[in-house]
Amino acid sequence: DIQMTQSPSSLSASVGDRVTITCRASQTIYSYLNWYQQKPGKAPKLLIYAASSLQSGVPSRFSGSGSGTAFTLTISSLQPEDFATYSCQQSYTSPLTFGGGTKVDI
Amino acid sequence: QITLKESGPTLVKPTQTLTVTCTFSGFSLSTSGVGVSWIRQPPGKALEWLALIYWDDDKRYRPSLESRLTISKDTSKNQVVLTMTNMDPVDTATYFCAHSGGGLAVAGFDYWGQGTLVTVSS
Repeated sequence: DIQMTQSPSSLSASVGDRVTITCRASQTIYSYLNWYQQKPGKAPKLLIYAASSLQSGVPSRFSGSGSGTAFTLTISSLQPEDFATYSCQQSYTSPLTFGGGTKVDI
Repeated sequence: QITLKESGPTLVKPTQTLTVTCTFSGFSLSTSGVGVSWIRQPPGKALEWLALIYWDDDKRYRPSLESRLTISKDTSKNQVVLTMTNMDPVDTATYFCAHSGGGLAVAGFDYWGQGTLVTVSS
């Protein structure tokens, strides 16, 4: 299985901050990397697919980059509604695997 | 618009078989490229993909659980069913179903159900 490792596991930030979350794959996954946002008690929401493509309806302050084994999710200016847990997921090969999540709080 | 909703028991006993159903609307599971996955999340833990069924009835399973899982679809009812045998307390989790539109979910899981919490306890 491809292991997905996120860092940090949690971070504290303020409204307006630029936030960067890293996801590393245990082997190359090319650009088959997706990012999700999840709020407590809710289903995940797709933010970014194929490493850098913004899902329809997602604000442009979210962006993704990277390829191979190293990827980042950036929130350019953190908004109150962005406090949540963010997870990466590889779709290169089965079994599909998720990272452990990064909790962004105040 | 696309919607998915999970249904099933909230409590199962150890060694029992879990059956959860995903009822969806807004898409057809006979359309080329479409898939529905089951993904679970134990309380306070990470998401874990379990199984995927494609429009052509091809199936993929998490290898570590494959012997316990069966995924199936009823296209006429717009439903996908997951069964998991020999349930254990460690299988306590929220079970989600999710839609994907291309290949091995290469464009991600773009629509999710609300999830159903299944507790395994005697």
